[in-house]
Amino acid sequence: DAKTTQPNSMESNEEEPVHLPCNHSTISGTDYIHWYRQLPSQGPEYVIHGLTSNVNNRMASLAIAEDRKSSTLILHRATLRDAAVYYCIRLKTSYDKVIFGPGTSLSVIP
Amino acid sequence: GAVVSQHPSRVICKSGTSVKIECRSLDFQATTMFWYRQFPKQSLMLMATSNEGSKATYEQGVEKDKFLINHASLTLSTLTVTSAHPEDSSFYICSASHRQGGTEAFFGQGTRLTVV
Repeated sequence: DAKTTQPNSMESNEEEPVHLPCNHSTISGTDYIHWYRQLPSQGPEYVIHGLTSNVNNRMASLAIAEDRKSSTLILHRATLRDAAVYYCIRLKTSYDKVIFGPGTSLSVIP
Repeated sequence: GAVVSQHPSRVICKSGTSVKIECRSLDFQATTMFWYRQFPKQSLMLMATSNEGSKATYEQGVEKDKFLINHASLTLSTLTVTSAHPEDSSFYICSASHRQGGTEAFFGQGTRLTVV
């Protein structure tokens, strides 16, 4: 049970912003929300994580709902290299088992 | 940033032989490592949790005698697929947790196993 739900697939035009949603309605107060992405034939790559406040880094932004039951990963300007499967995951610590759901397969159209 | 390296990245073996895959944390110590496998167009499936100096914990349905895991040091875990068969062909991925804690998991680049 991945305990998060995401759309199976999304499309974006190149250089446009992309908002990838994730629902985690049963999240506990100590669960962090992590996003990883997996390019074809590669291992997952860390994107961003947060607990309560919105977060920004060089790759993306993470907007977390006030009730923490959902979050949105924002890619500000999609590039072709952003085409990947994006996974939204709940983790308390790095020692937790990561149970992956199917993720969202993002296609970027030139 | 923390780097996890897997070796080999690709391997082809004959049916009935055994294959060892290494997972190394290059610049940090990892007390816990995880092993996943991924079939085409599917998500990653957790196989086992490997703790340094102790026996691995396997997920339900994963044969511990077929997938031998050894975590002999704080920087190395190995997965040995014994008596491999074509149905074991898959993408195997490890992740490592930093000994100092934190919440981020660090993943290797994966190993593509093809059994012929």
